[in-house]
Amino acid sequence: AQSVSQHNHHVILSEAASLELGCNYSYGGTVNLFWYVQYPGQHLQLLLKYFSGDPLVKGIKGFEAEFIKSKFSFNLRKPSVQWSDTAEYFCAVKRGSSNTGKLIFGQGTTLQVKP
Amino acid sequence: SAVISQKPSRDICQRGTSLTIQCQVDSQVTMMFWYRQQPGQSLTLIATANQGSEATYESGFVIDKFPISRPNLTFSTLTVSNMSPEDSSIYLCSAQPGQGAYEQYFGPGTRLTVT
Repeated sequence: AQSVSQHNHHVILSEAASLELGCNYSYGGTVNLFWYVQYPGQHLQLLLKYFSGDPLVKGIKGFEAEFIKSKFSFNLRKPSVQWSDTAEYFCAVKRGSSNTGKLIFGQGTTLQVKP
Repeated sequence: SAVISQKPSRDICQRGTSLTIQCQVDSQVTMMFWYRQQPGQSLTLIATANQGSEATYESGFVIDKFPISRPNLTFSTLTVSNMSPEDSSIYLCSAQPGQGAYEQYFGPGTRLTVT
């Protein structure tokens, strides 16, 4: 069965530190890839997405992610985190050929940024 | 993008009762979905709400327990029937503007506690 793995469940960083959150998926075909963020007390928001083309995608708030097809990975990065980046981050995958729209989510990573 | 609202935002219900959750999108969308997020876990798709026909349920979810309606392109309801404490979760509605390579937008969720 298709699955999505996020390697880090809980990450604690100091402000200005660099961030990389890992995401791997198991499906071998064409995929659409997403990172969502959930700030405390707020709903899920889309950070960035990859459908096709340049494998390095830029999202909101200075986040970026790189799709490496050979590694089945879509890691999220930010050069310098801020206290306001404290949130839960979810990687999600959808089969690119699918019209069902079904998203498979990873377990989520809780990021805590210390001021 | 799409802005999604859900009602109620939270509820505490007794075992054996049912609760209907409403989801309203501010624009017409092709696809609507219902997810469940159990405490400390990731999001799991319950079903795809199909306009004008029966919902498509994922493995482990059945219509008798989670009846879904979608009378038009902007509105859907999810009912959690004959509730037990195991149904305590956050229930989220999402919408996708089109089929294929589109992102999903999420509502704020309904936090359900069953006592």
